[in-house]
Amino acid sequence: DTGVSQDPRHKITKRGQNVTFRCDPISEHNRLYWYRQTLGQGPEFLTYFQNEAQLEKSRLLSDRFSAERPKGSFSTLEIQRTEQGDSAMYLCASSLDLAEVYGYTFGSGTRLTVV
Amino acid sequence: KQEVTQIPAALSVPEGENLVLNCSFTDSAIYNLQWFRQDPGKGLTSLLLIQSSQREQTSGRLNASLDKSSGRSTLYIAASQPGDSATYLCAVRGYGQNFVFGPGTRLSVLP
Repeated sequence: DTGVSQDPRHKITKRGQNVTFRCDPISEHNRLYWYRQTLGQGPEFLTYFQNEAQLEKSRLLSDRFSAERPKGSFSTLEIQRTEQGDSAMYLCASSLDLAEVYGYTFGSGTRLTVV
Repeated sequence: KQEVTQIPAALSVPEGENLVLNCSFTDSAIYNLQWFRQDPGKGLTSLLLIQSSQREQTSGRLNASLDKSSGRSTLYIAASQPGDSATYLCAVRGYGQNFVFGPGTRLSVLP
């Protein structure tokens, strides 16, 4: 296992289109997190899964955003009717249950540009 | 609500210098604190993780300390190299499940 994988690495889309990103966590990690990072800022929490259950969502996750983690493996983040303000790096991370001991492992991110 | 700040926002040093990056957080009720490195346009690479019960962690030329009661952590980089140039982020995890990140310190090490 080579770590957390995210696909695609880059996505350019026109305003109003829908986009979907994928994250494959480290295989034995049952926790998965999505973060968003805008230029010059630290990452901000979006949502968190334990196995297939979405346990927490940030207020940043508007109704245009939806995340799933079927079967507790990979996860997808979909943005509907994209806006220019959605342009950001979308980061996925995974951890073991004892995240307080082991911390997070991040993927390389998906950079979204909405034109 | 946890807030994390980092000082300085940017730092430029000549190669070989020892340097200190600072991280402050407002709520001392934390599980752990993690330092990350981020190269331009890339994801985050974990550097050091300090549990709330620990005072410091070391990895190679890096040493991170944690003073939970005062809400502070420092990352010490010894004998800096041009390859250390990156943005350094600290993140604290409270009793919820997510980390709260600082804005980062952009480090440039000049040859």
